[in-house]
Amino acid sequence: DTGVSQNPRHKITKRGQNVTFRCDPISEHNRLYWYRQTLGQGPEFLTYFQNEAQLEKSRLLSDRFSAERPKGSFSTLEIQRTEQGDSAMYLCASGLGQNLNTEAFFGQGTRLTVV
Amino acid sequence: DAKTTQPPSMDCAEGRAANLPCNHSTISGNEYVYWYRQIHSQGPQYIIHGLKNNETNEMASLIITEDRKSSTLILPHATLRDTAVYYCIVRVSFDMRFGAGTRLTVKP
Repeated sequence: DTGVSQNPRHKITKRGQNVTFRCDPISEHNRLYWYRQTLGQGPEFLTYFQNEAQLEKSRLLSDRFSAERPKGSFSTLEIQRTEQGDSAMYLCASGLGQNLNTEAFFGQGTRLTVV
Repeated sequence: DAKTTQPPSMDCAEGRAANLPCNHSTISGNEYVYWYRQIHSQGPQYIIHGLKNNETNEMASLIITEDRKSSTLILPHATLRDTAVYYCIVRVSFDMRFGAGTRLTVKP
């Protein structure tokens, strides 16, 4: 499978714990995005990387959230001191190119449940 | 990014064309129109995009009005597997801002 891969697919954690999600983009894709989606809503943009540089962050990305993309390959999204409101689907997408005339491809997401 | 307006839901008979409208009256000259869909519990799937010319691929056709203030996604022969939420997005930056989309239900 050469699509965007996200792990784990599901995560249940207790409130206050830290969690980390991983995204493996399509090979050689230089752009990588993280989104969050709650039930009944469209995906909300969190952050964007071009290669290893984090170029844009949404105000939704509070201080408890951090994303990295070392060496411009896979990316991790960490949530510290999880809260029940963090329960959502976390989606990763990747794309290729330097202009806006290129699509992004999404993974299947990681569903987080904070209990 | 320009705001988009889509009907919250639509029905379509299996085998018929599904025409999904999107209004983007504040679109700027360099903003692309993208369409994605999301089938329950899956990640969004890219369908098609365009700037000002009509576009067609194996999945759908995209018709953009001459003034670019609206567009229509056409699924020529809808099947039950096309039941999904369809998102119209206009973008000028690398991130994409999704709205609530249109929930299309294809009925037998």
